Amino acid sequence: DAGITQSPRHKVTETGTPVTLRCHQTENHRYMYWYRQDPGHGLRLIHYSYGVKDTDKGEVSDGYSVSRSKTEDFLLTLESATSSQTSVYFCATNRDSNQPQHFGDGTRLSIL
Amino acid sequence: AQKVTQAQTEISVVEKEDVTLDCVYETRDTTYYLFWYKQPPSGELVFLIRRNSFDEQNEISGRYSWNFQKSTSSFNFTITASQVVDSAVYFCALSENSGYSTLTFGKGTMLLVSP
Repeated sequence: DAGITQSPRHKVTETGTPVTLRCHQTENHRYMYWYRQDPGHGLRLIHYSYGVKDTDKGEVSDGYSVSRSKTEDFLLTLESATSSQTSVYFCATNRDSNQPQHFGDGTRLSIL
Repeated sequence: AQKVTQAQTEISVVEKEDVTLDCVYETRDTTYYLFWYKQPPSGELVFLIRRNSFDEQNEISGRYSWNFQKSTSSFNFTITASQVVDSAVYFCALSENSGYSTLTFGKGTMLLVSP
């Protein structure tokens, strides 16, 4: 696997607080992705990155921002968390955009 | 826009039965890629197969086989002689060969294999 580490693995926080999730990879993959998984929706793309400082929006980007200052790290920030952002968040990477994506173990985020 | 439909929300079978998971996709591109992923109860996502749009040959890997038919825009997944360890959610996904290709996932099919 691509050596993907997500942190934290679990987080409970309150509405209105900022939250940052981290994805760290050790394979020097160019592409990185953030998804959220919700019952009945499968996985939906939030943001993705195609290189350092190069990011773009996915299907469900409202309320989220990302940053990628180094190849190995891709951060997802909820500036002011809402209960609708309670979800399981997955990070994924691949070397080229049409190659299989390999996923981290996920972060379970609960916003009360 | 690309779209993936997995019409079967849940399937229950008894061990040793064969089971087919359906996947229908929509795309305007002539070059695209199809994927299947498995998510066992432990939660991780495991890549199973990638197929490009120019390769319609069926593929077999052990008890797993995949049937790709462009004429019906389908990429179905069959598990032969199912086992309890096959219990998982299975996702079909599509990426188009344009720009920075991103994956569009179906909503998944939960497979429960009972002993």
